[in-house]
Amino acid sequence: DAEITQSPRHKITETGRQVTLACHQTWNHNNMFWYRQDLGHGLRLIHYSYGVHDTNKGEVSDGYSVSRSNTEDLPLTLESAASSQTSVYFCASSDSPGNTQYFGPGTRLTVL
Amino acid sequence: AQSVSQHNHHVILSEAASLELGCNYSYGGTVNLFWYVQYPGQHLQLLLKYFSGDPLVKGIKGFEAEFIKSKFSFNLRKPSVQWSDTAEYFCALRHSGAGSYQLTFGKGTKLSVIP
Repeated sequence: DAEITQSPRHKITETGRQVTLACHQTWNHNNMFWYRQDLGHGLRLIHYSYGVHDTNKGEVSDGYSVSRSNTEDLPLTLESAASSQTSVYFCASSDSPGNTQYFGPGTRLTVL
Repeated sequence: AQSVSQHNHHVILSEAASLELGCNYSYGGTVNLFWYVQYPGQHLQLLLKYFSGDPLVKGIKGFEAEFIKSKFSFNLRKPSVQWSDTAEYFCALRHSGAGSYQLTFGKGTKLSVIP
């Protein structure tokens, strides 16, 4: 069955370190999204991609970057981790505009 | 910019009680609306969605939602909740502008069902 996976599921890092969170989907979807989930804020969009080599900034993109070298993967990089980036990160994908976004299991990141 | 408001932060119900979770949005054009559910420790799953047509939408697990355009609302309902409905519920909007594939989420409503 097609799925969307994220790794690692849990990560503890230190302030200032570079961190990369992986997202891999086997749906062959063109559209991929990264969200962060924080108490009292719901889900907020970080970056998104509509296809290979396409990336776009979302609502809370500062301090994050993504790259899309193939259809299946959209890694999220925190260039220099900050305590404010402690959160749960969800990746999602969809096949076309307006269709359902399928979410991965999430990565819980703690920045000390 | 579009936004989504969920009125209740935390709702506590007894089993068999009826449920209605409020969702209001602000956007003047055509919208697609979604309700997602997140069970404890799990990822988000789609409950139901409205794109067009019948404003009363039925989803999985006995949930339904009604789109009322004049009220900019998309409230989620279930006639009789079960303990297994304990979860966090998110309303989300996608507006139909060109290139607008992103979802805007509300802050979520946590539902606790007491056996």
